[in-house]
Amino acid sequence: GENVEQHPSTLSVQEGDSAVIKCTYSDSASNYFPWYKQELGKGPQLIIDIRSNVGEKKDQRIAVTLNKTAKHFSLHITETQPEDSAVYFCAAKSLSASKIIFGSGTRLSIRP
Amino acid sequence: GAVVSQHPSRVICKSGTSVKIECRSLDFQATTMFWYRQFPKQSLMLMATSNEGSKATYEQGVEKDKFLINHASLTLSTLTVTSAHPEDSSFYICSAREGSGANYGYTFGSGTRLTVV
Repeated sequence: GENVEQHPSTLSVQEGDSAVIKCTYSDSASNYFPWYKQELGKGPQLIIDIRSNVGEKKDQRIAVTLNKTAKHFSLHITETQPEDSAVYFCAAKSLSASKIIFGSGTRLSIRP
Repeated sequence: GAVVSQHPSRVICKSGTSVKIECRSLDFQATTMFWYRQFPKQSLMLMATSNEGSKATYEQGVEKDKFLINHASLTLSTLTVTSAHPEDSSFYICSAREGSGANYGYTFGSGTRLTVV
């Protein structure tokens, strides 16, 4: 089945700087890659997603890139703000399955 | 956008009792819902896939007789933790798939903090 690895596990950046989180997946048939933000005690919230027919997607300060050949995808957050502090999860969905599999998560801290 | 409502948000129960958690899709029909479990500082682990009108599909290692899942309508799935024990204490989160064809997404509920004493 699908396996998703995520790095780093923790990330601390200065406010205003950029943050990058990387994930790799194992199933070459995976076709959907969402990113979720989870705040303490809450459920995950979708922040951006990308499908396998595109290589990059951007939404204001957030962007995701996908390299299907290398089977990795990355989340980029620019001009970080204190409210960006949270745990971020990448996930992947195989073409043949209805479920999504999560990475291990990255705890992002924004230093003032 | 799509909204998934999960109740209760917190529940404390005694060992040996059962607890039911509800997951509702408020503005869309969800033929497929998912139940996850999350321990502190860990990722979400899929427990089971719930299909409307049929039996749930459980992930390896998840006891189907302990974690009863019912998906009787297109907007409601329930997870019942039977004969709860302290080790069942965790954060339980449901998710629903919305959309069709090439345009779909997964929306999550706000989670249920279960504490078994």
